[in-house]
Amino acid sequence: QKEVEQNSGPLSVPEGAIASLNCTYSDRGSQSFFWYRQYSGKSPELIMSIYSNGDKEDGRFTAQLNKASQYVSLLIRDSQPSDSATYLCAVNMISGGYQKVTFGTGTKLQVIP
Amino acid sequence: GAGVSQSPSNKVTEKGKDVELRCDPISGHTALYWYRQSLGQGLEFLIYFQGNSAPDKSGLPSDRFSAERTGGSVSTLTIQRTQQEDSAVYLCASSPTGTSGETQYFGPGTRLLVL
Repeated sequence: QKEVEQNSGPLSVPEGAIASLNCTYSDRGSQSFFWYRQYSGKSPELIMSIYSNGDKEDGRFTAQLNKASQYVSLLIRDSQPSDSATYLCAVNMISGGYQKVTFGTGTKLQVIP
Repeated sequence: GAGVSQSPSNKVTEKGKDVELRCDPISGHTALYWYRQSLGQGLEFLIYFQGNSAPDKSGLPSDRFSAERTGGSVSTLTIQRTQQEDSAVYLCASSPTGTSGETQYFGPGTRLLVL
């Protein structure tokens, strides 16, 4: 089992719809969770971070964390064509005395005008 | 202020040659990470430096890969005897202290092509 799993997509949604991106992780000791956005040919940039169970909202973005189910999601409301990118889920865990961030392979989102 | 910088931005080399990739983290950041991203793939962790502590080398794929960080700032990733499968984008990131929950700030990457 991969440490961090995401559906590779592409996930296609019409402009204005809600895009729902999902991620599961294997280590119950994971403490911090991140969503990064990566445009084609560019570097990842942080969108959201979440540390506690529940929802965290920032503008059109909502991150949801359920540690019991080892599941973290990202909702994008009122999706725009400019949201088209690959979204990387990242999970921070302690391994061998080091804190380590493990990234999923990413979900490609396409917002159709 | 300045972000993470990497050089070169692109590197084309012949199989069997050695390459050096450089990363300048954000000033004052004590944590530095190297990742590799192959075409269409996620980020593969390579190595992590935290201050003066011994680095976490658990992600280095073979003994052809090594990295150092001089003076707690600039880092160099060296790939010896490059192979075609080493072709990828090599990304460097830094964070202020390396503690759990910190944002990592990524550089623009070095695109390596091994012919």
